[in-house]
Amino acid sequence: QQPVQSPQAVILREGEDAVINCSSSKALYSVHWYRQKHGEAPVFLMILLKGGEQKGHDKISASFNEKKQQSSLYLTASQLSYSGTYFCGTEFPGYALNFGKGTSLLVTP
Amino acid sequence: DAGVIQSPRHEVTEMGQEVTLRCKPISGHNSLFWYRQTMMRGLELLIYFNNNVPIDDSGMPEDRFSAKMPNASFSTLKIQPSEPRDSAVYFCASSTGTVRSGNTIYFGEGSWLTVV
Repeated sequence: QQPVQSPQAVILREGEDAVINCSSSKALYSVHWYRQKHGEAPVFLMILLKGGEQKGHDKISASFNEKKQQSSLYLTASQLSYSGTYFCGTEFPGYALNFGKGTSLLVTP
Repeated sequence: DAGVIQSPRHEVTEMGQEVTLRCKPISGHNSLFWYRQTMMRGLELLIYFNNNVPIDDSGMPEDRFSAKMPNASFSTLKIQPSEPRDSAVYFCASSTGTVRSGNTIYFGEGSWLTVV
């Protein structure tokens, strides 16, 4: 039930954009996005509850396509502080949040 | 407000020893989760409690692992006997409500376990 994330790793130059995808084999109730800095706990970014929902957080936004059972995280004009590992968590009815293996993002000057 | 508090932060133990990890959830949260993080498998859910009752323990790897939540403010994850492949970061997390409620999960700082 672990969602599949792609790509596994991304290297960007400051100011470039990136997209991280998350897909599930089962119908989703919600999708959660977290970011983890090395040696720290994952930190909540946003939750998407409905199909078609989009949310934004500064220059980080996400979409949720309920029919395709997919979510995408968009990082626009990346900053050095965006570096870290991004996890999507998927929630199915009756089950707790399960996370993908993560996407490692490195933003270089 | 204090976040999720875990102890110990770091533990190095010898194979075969018992390991006990502790967690204090955020006050007022009634859901508690134990996750294990490794490079190979990412962040895996081990067990989920709601109102101190284990709801889903399908992620617990084997009988060597056990978890308890004797009250709303304390939970333990025990490994006995420990093996080198148990080396990982173990996160405790808590949230309000139940699953399927879209509530934010708050993570503790993690317990870094090394079994030699």
